[in-house]
Amino acid sequence: EAGVAQSPRYKIIEKRQSVAFWCNPISGHATLYWYQQILGQGPKLLIQFQNNGVVDDSQLPKDRFSAERLKGVDSTLKIQPAKLEDSAVYLCASSFGRTSGPYNEQFFGPGTRLTVL
Amino acid sequence: AQSVTQPDIHITVSEGASLELRCNYSYGATPYLFWYVQSPGQGLQLLLKYFSGDTLVQGIKGFEAEFKRSQSSFNLRKPSVHWSDAAEYFCAVIYGNKLVFGAGTILRVKS
Repeated sequence: EAGVAQSPRYKIIEKRQSVAFWCNPISGHATLYWYQQILGQGPKLLIQFQNNGVVDDSQLPKDRFSAERLKGVDSTLKIQPAKLEDSAVYLCASSFGRTSGPYNEQFFGPGTRLTVL
Repeated sequence: AQSVTQPDIHITVSEGASLELRCNYSYGATPYLFWYVQSPGQGLQLLLKYFSGDTLVQGIKGFEAEFKRSQSSFNLRKPSVHWSDAAEYFCAVIYGNKLVFGAGTILRVKS
């Protein structure tokens, strides 16, 4: 079974530029998550989709971050404009079921490491 | 505030020695608890989880964890560490509908 795919793996941009990350979840997984992992911290949930609808985006900085999951499969996370504090690893995860419960394991991709100069 | 604390940022153990990584949580009800491992350049992998029943949970790669309600802890253990266990380990808890992670513990294994 193929895992969660993410691209690019690394990205370096200057502040105020825009950037986009792509995620392809495991086939058949209804729920997709984007996490931000700042150096020295654990991953923090940014947004959760169920199929192509947003379940939770309470921790997404909506003035500069946006995400979409067209057709309920692939997803794109965008930052525009980027700030220095956005430097982090952006992780995508997917799960078969609808919620973050104990029976619904999340499978993580390798992440995209973003450096904002 | 609800939180997950991993007190040790770095731990170094000798290959073949035993390991214990600490995790404490703050949560009123019975928590759903997880341990993940993250190797360099790879995504997070679930080692084990606890949500009810026996408080000693067995996981993959020879790891186990024990839930202690009285201490609000869920420490990860392994009796004999291998060099390939060098990685970062995250404790996590389900709060509401979110998976909330601790800051992680980096494990170094010396030969």
